[in-house]
Amino acid sequence: AQSVTQPDIHITVSEGASLELRCNYSYGATPYLFWYVQSPGQGLQLLLKYFSGDTLVQGIKGFEAEFKRSQSSFNLRKPSVHWSDAAEYFCAVGVFQWEYGNKLVFGAGTILRVKS
Amino acid sequence: NAGVTQTPKFQVLKTGQSMTLQCAQDMNHEYMSWYRQDPGMGLRLIHYSVGAGITDQGEVPNGYNVSRSTTEDFPLRLLSAAPSQTSVYFCASSYRKNTEAFFGQGTRLTVV
Repeated sequence: AQSVTQPDIHITVSEGASLELRCNYSYGATPYLFWYVQSPGQGLQLLLKYFSGDTLVQGIKGFEAEFKRSQSSFNLRKPSVHWSDAAEYFCAVGVFQWEYGNKLVFGAGTILRVKS
Repeated sequence: NAGVTQTPKFQVLKTGQSMTLQCAQDMNHEYMSWYRQDPGMGLRLIHYSVGAGITDQGEVPNGYNVSRSTTEDFPLRLLSAAPSQTSVYFCASSYRKNTEAFFGQGTRLTVV
């Protein structure tokens, strides 16, 4: 069965510091990987996605993620965090079934706090 | 562009009541799905659909029904609400296989 692990429930970083959020997945086939961000009381917004090709993918708001097949990881990074980045971040793996379509398997999420 | 629209945004139900959460998308997406979000558990899939007339169960389907009579709409029905169904519900749609999902703003449901 597919699964996604985000080992850090909470992370606190200082504004201007670098950030790395960890994500490990378990999936038997080529993974389709996503990072979503959720601000309080809001829906989920796609930050970036990996389907194939270059293992370093760029997303919105200055985020990037690196796919490492050997480590089954898809960690999210940002070189300099802004206070507006405080939110909850979800890693997900996409699973497709021919009869019934797409589904996403999510990690439990990492809450990012930014201190000034 | 409206994207994925969910109604209502907030709802309080009494145990045993039934209700339907509405979801509509205007992007002509074939694939739609329902998730529930609970603290510390991420989002879990309830039901999903590849098009009109075709649905399947996800990870946590018990207590919920769905149907897909049109491409645009994918309502989620709670048959007899229970306190364990207190959660935030998200509807999502995607264009084709292995593409990103677009999410609605969510429905916060409280069952008392």
